Amino acid sequence: DIQMTQSPSSLSASVGDRVTITCRASQSISSYLNWYQQKPGKAPKLLIYAASSLQSGVPSRFSGSGSGTDFTLTISSLQPEDFATYYCQQSYSTPPIFTFGPGTKVDIK
Amino acid sequence: EVQLVESGGGLVQPGGSLRLSCAASGFTFSSYEMNWVRQAPGKGLEWVSYISSSGSTIYYADSVKGRFTISRDNAKNSLYLQMNSLRAEDTAVYYCARVCPYYDSSGYYAYDAFDIWGQGTMVTVSS
Repeated sequence: DIQMTQSPSSLSASVGDRVTITCRASQSISSYLNWYQQKPGKAPKLLIYAASSLQSGVPSRFSGSGSGTDFTLTISSLQPEDFATYYCQQSYSTPPIFTFGPGTKVDIK
Repeated sequence: EVQLVESGGGLVQPGGSLRLSCAASGFTFSSYEMNWVRQAPGKGLEWVSYISSSGSTIYYADSVKGRFTISRDNAKNSLYLQMNSLRAEDTAVYYCARVCPYYDSSGYYAYDAFDIWGQGTMVTVSS
């Protein structure tokens, strides 16, 4: 099975900061990588699919990059509403086993 | 409005059973693959089960295989999760999530992502 890791597990940042979160797959998953944002008590929200494609309605300050085993989610200028936990997810496996990463919590410095 | 609404959660004793439901509205439910995802208190997301649009193809995480059964009724726009032999470690918020197909630059179906999620229903397994 494909395993997903994320780093860091948590980070503290200020409004306006550029934030980068890394996700790594245990084997190559091409571009089959999604990113989600989850706020406390809420369902996850899709931000990025296919490693770098922005989901409709998601602000352009969010971007994704990478392929193979290493991926990044970047928030170009952190806004107050961006404080949340971010998860990566692989959709490469056949049969479909949509493994999530352990999450990265972004909180206020 | 495109929406998924889960129900059926609650408190159950170890070894007991529970059936979760997910009601879909605002889209053609029968055209979409669906999943269940859970989140234990204070923990991350764990994929639980997948079902194809017709219901003919089903997969489970190893942690629930043999105990949980996913199903759907396209006539009722509903997804279900029958949970048997429940354990304390099954305690979690359970979400249903729609799979959205995405296409590559050539227009071919290439990628999947969970674009619509329900609000979740809490399952607590405790004596």
